Amino acid sequence: DAKTTQPNSMESNEEEPVHLPCNHSTISGTDYIHWYRQLPSQGPEYVIHGLTSNVNNRMASLAIAEDRKSSTLILHRATLRDAAVYYCILRDGGAQKLVFGQGTRLTINP
Amino acid sequence: DTAVSQTPKYLVTQMGNDKSIKCEQNLGHDTMYWYKQDSKKFLKIMFSYNNKELIINETVPNRFSPKSPDKAHLNLHINSLELGDSAVYFCASSQNLGFQETQYFGPGTRLLVL
Repeated sequence: DAKTTQPNSMESNEEEPVHLPCNHSTISGTDYIHWYRQLPSQGPEYVIHGLTSNVNNRMASLAIAEDRKSSTLILHRATLRDAAVYYCILRDGGAQKLVFGQGTRLTINP
Repeated sequence: DTAVSQTPKYLVTQMGNDKSIKCEQNLGHDTMYWYKQDSKKFLKIMFSYNNKELIINETVPNRFSPKSPDKAHLNLHINSLELGDSAVYFCASSQNLGFQETQYFGPGTRLLVL
């Protein structure tokens, strides 16, 4: 599984946008970029995924660099409920499992 | 209705005991998984089943035996529990094995072995 690198922790303020970076310099052409998050004392939950184009859904946006070696998860207006560990995961056609790294612990200040 | 449910939520037991954790999904999915999250918070897959067939077994000690009586259930039985088995165990499911498929996780079972 190709490796991803994320900052250990980030902090932001409520109602401000948050940009969570992920580096994946060894990404292959068939790897999809998935994001999951884990709220305190809960199981992980899906956030968003993409291949090449930027993606939007009701939870977040995913901006993928043109060379695909990095991506950014964007929370447009953070709330206290968005405080969680965010995981950036690469999956290819053979990946029947999610391989979690250490993720980014996001703290939201009121 | 809870999509993926696990019982029990908490499990405290003595070393050497045998215990089971149950998982049920009501999403109509074909694929189910067990993940382990250790004290350092690393999440790692243990097993996956597709249509009741074992697909992934990630070098887990054979004291751990998953059983899938039907597509909606994947139980985890652990024999001769050890201190190092203390962790949070998450069950998950997905529509199928496709790599774009979203995995839905249960709330976790917190196992403490004394």
